[in-house]
Amino acid sequence: ETGVTQTPRHLVMGMTNKKSLKCEQHLGHNAMYWYKQSAKKPLELMFVYNFKEQTENNSVPSRFSPECPNSSHLFLHLHTLQPEDSALYLCASSQLGPFEQYFGPGTRLTVT
Amino acid sequence: AQSVTQLGSHVSVSEGALVLLRCNYSSSVPPYLFWYVQYPNQGLQLLLKYTTGATLVKGINGFEAEFKKSETSFHLTKPSAHMSDAAEYFCAVSDQSGNQFYFGTGTSLTVIP
Repeated sequence: ETGVTQTPRHLVMGMTNKKSLKCEQHLGHNAMYWYKQSAKKPLELMFVYNFKEQTENNSVPSRFSPECPNSSHLFLHLHTLQPEDSALYLCASSQLGPFEQYFGPGTRLTVT
Repeated sequence: AQSVTQLGSHVSVSEGALVLLRCNYSSSVPPYLFWYVQYPNQGLQLLLKYTTGATLVKGINGFEAEFKKSETSFHLTKPSAHMSDAAEYFCAVSDQSGNQFYFGTGTSLTVIP
């Protein structure tokens, strides 16, 4: 595997379900990010992790819970989501600092 | 706070014609600037970036962009559009710490044969 991988690629879940999104980067980076991409809205930065420590949480509802066990892996735990949470969730990684981010292919989430 | 404005959510050009996608930013300090491309059902891929130095930056697939501080712009151009250029393009700005990335709303490029 190379670059940034995300699993699953597609996920359909009910509002009472609990699921997790997984991201793995094979680039030796030490910063990882979660973004939400909704139709006709700007890309929304959700969480930032630097060296496994969360440095940004942009007012994300608590039904989204991130976890970063090491610099290569990032999870997004989901529970009691709402239909408006349906979106493409993108993971990215970079070196620390103002460097370009490398994105995974995303997980297309549908909440029913 | 910084922001990024992409004028024109949809741009159509004929194959072989000039591509011009506009990006303006607001920042109180010199930012770092990026252009990304997103093909359907894929993540974002870096096209080019400006950090310091030469203000005309060349990227992949024949694209280039010029940083104009006086105009707070970073427009993306390509002399001759190809069918494979049809995609969504995002301009982004980072503060110097890299802790915040701000993306524009994107411009969908259609290339007409």
